[in-house]
Amino acid sequence: AIQMTQSPSSLSASVGDRVTITCRASQGISNDLGWYQQKPGKAPKLLIYAASSLQGGVPSRFSGSGSGTDFTLTISSLQPEDFATYYCLQDYDYPLTFGGGTKVEIK
Amino acid sequence: QMQLQESGPGLVKPSETLSLTCTVSGGSISSSSYQWGWIRQPPGKGLEWISNVFYSGSTYYNPSLRGRPTISVDTSKNQFSLKMRSVTAADTAVYYCVRRGLRPERFDLWGQGTVVTVSS
Repeated sequence: AIQMTQSPSSLSASVGDRVTITCRASQGISNDLGWYQQKPGKAPKLLIYAASSLQGGVPSRFSGSGSGTDFTLTISSLQPEDFATYYCLQDYDYPLTFGGGTKVEIK
Repeated sequence: QMQLQESGPGLVKPSETLSLTCTVSGGSISSSSYQWGWIRQPPGKGLEWISNVFYSGSTYYNPSLRGRPTISVDTSKNQFSLKMRSVTAADTAVYYCVRRGLRPERFDLWGQGTVVTVSS
C-alpha cells in the first residue's frame, strides 16, 4: 500500500498567517491527491482534488500544488473558520490511503 | 442536490456482523459518473478507507480489513450497504458513506456519519 506521510501533525498559527501543510507519498502518484478539511464532530469536506483543482465553493485562499511524491496545501491568509484538521488522500491506487492529519490550532 | 444518509445499529456485539445502509437522495445511484463507498474514523484518530462500489457491482476493498467487509448496491432502493463480519472493539468508529466522483477521482460528497460501537 502507498504510505502518505503528512507534516506537521499539528501547528499553531494566527489569523492572517500563511500556512503550509505537506504530504509525501511513498511512491509516485502522479497528481492523484486530494485535500480534506474536518471540523470537530463533522464529516470531512473536499477542498482540493487532482493536487491543485479547487472544489466548487471553496475559498480561493486555499491552494494545492505538487506532483509525483511531494504535495502542498497552502492557506494564504488563515481565517477563524479554517481552524480544523486537514487530511491528504491518495487516489492513485487501491487501497486508497490518507495521511495522518494536520491539526491547525489558534496561536 | 444529492444527499447521503447513513443508517444502522449504533451498537454491535463482538464477533457479530456490522450492517450499515446509505440512502442516496436527490439523484440516481446508477450513474456512471460516480462510485460509492465507506470511510471510517475511530475515536480521536484519522480516516481509513474501507471500500468502494460501482453501480454495476464492481467492488474494491481495503486489504487491511482481512476480507471482512462486503459492499453492495441496491439500485431499486437507491441505496448501498456495508456489512463487516467478526467485529471487535477496534471496529468502533464513525462510519461515513461517501460519493466518489470519477475522472478525476475525489470524495466530493459525504454523509453526516454514524457512530458504531462494538461492545458486549
